[in-house]
Amino acid sequence: AQRVTQPEKLLSVFKGAPVELKCNYSYSGSPELFWYVQYSRQRLQLLLRHISRESIKGFTADLNKGETSFHLKKPFAQEEDSAMYYCALKRRADAGNNRKLIWGLGTSLAVNP
Amino acid sequence: DVKVTQSSRYLVKRTGEKVFLECVQDMDHENMFWYRQDPGLGLRLIYFSYDVKMKEKGDIPEGYSVSREKKERFSLILESASTNQTSMYLCASSLSLGVSYEQYFGPGTRLTVT
Repeated sequence: AQRVTQPEKLLSVFKGAPVELKCNYSYSGSPELFWYVQYSRQRLQLLLRHISRESIKGFTADLNKGETSFHLKKPFAQEEDSAMYYCALKRRADAGNNRKLIWGLGTSLAVNP
Repeated sequence: DVKVTQSSRYLVKRTGEKVFLECVQDMDHENMFWYRQDPGLGLRLIYFSYDVKMKEKGDIPEGYSVSREKKERFSLILESASTNQTSMYLCASSLSLGVSYEQYFGPGTRLTVT
């Protein structure tokens, strides 16, 4: 069965420190991976997707198929990065039941001044 | 600009009441989803719909039903609300295909059942 694991419920770092939010997945095919973010009192929104290979708000994430990981990284955390982060997986387009996402439980990031 | 709206931000209902949560999207998306969000439990899919009048159960459909009579509107129904249904409910929509798959979320409805 497909699964997304975020091992840390809470991650606390100081401003300016590097941050890494871990995401591991289990899926036998080629997945699409996403990071979503929810800031306080705001709606859940897409942060980045692995196929875009882009950096958003200084965050990057690389899909490591060998380790089945998609960790989110930022070299210098800012206080405004404090939020709930969710990792999500989508089955590839030609697989059945690929309309929905499989979600991790989320990691709450607190960036302290 | 993409928009998903939910009928209420906050709702307080009594045990046993029938509750309707409404969600509307203006992006002509095929797929619509209802989740509940609870601390420590992440997002759990209740139901989703991939077309008008079409629906599929998610991971936790018990105690809920849905209705999709028009493409833009997806309703979540709690037939007889119970206290364990107190939660944040999130609606989302998406296209089916394409390299830019993304679920767009509404602001959420915080439901309290007393």
